[in-house]
Amino acid sequence: KAGVTQTPRYLIKTRGQQVTLSCSPISGHRSVSWYQQTPGQGLQFLFEYFSETQRNKGNFPGRFSGRQFSNSRSEMNVSTLELGDSALYLCASSVGSGDIQYFGAGTRLSVL
Amino acid sequence: AQRVTQPEKLLSVFKGAPVELKCNYSYSGSPELFWYVQYSRQRLQLLLRHISRESIKGFTADLNKGETSFHLKKPFAQEEDSAMYYCALRTKTSYDKVIFGPGTSLSVIP
Repeated sequence: KAGVTQTPRYLIKTRGQQVTLSCSPISGHRSVSWYQQTPGQGLQFLFEYFSETQRNKGNFPGRFSGRQFSNSRSEMNVSTLELGDSALYLCASSVGSGDIQYFGAGTRLSVL
Repeated sequence: AQRVTQPEKLLSVFKGAPVELKCNYSYSGSPELFWYVQYSRQRLQLLLRHISRESIKGFTADLNKGETSFHLKKPFAQEEDSAMYYCALRTKTSYDKVIFGPGTSLSVIP
């Protein structure tokens, strides 16, 4: 069974640009959650999608948005990038909300 | 408010010594607790969950509802245990969600 796949693995952007990250969950998983991981703040929850609906949202500005498609694949978008957005963005999928989460390898975003 | 705290950001122990990573939670309902681990250059992965009541890689964790704790323990630390450990709480309201603690970085000194 293929694991959670995140693309791209690395991204370099400049301030003010926007970026889209992609996550393909494990087959059969309907819940996808996104996290931002930084050395200073640790693992911070961004949002969770279940059956194309946003179920939960963390304490991040509106520049961070996401969506989920009918095949459970999810995208995360960050607009007007700031230097502080540099981080490892992790996607996790689970069968349902609150179930064991399986994490992807992450997308490392560097904002210059 | 639902919350998970891990008081130690960094924990260093010598190889062969016992290790305990602390986790406390705040939740009024019936909790389900997990420990996730992230080894260097590997994905974050589930280590154990309290409902399984099993030992994984020598680690155990007991849910203490009175103290609202779910501490992770191992009697003899190994160098390969060095990693980042996250405690997580599953809450059940109108829909389930998982709340992660800030994490504890464990370093096992040879």
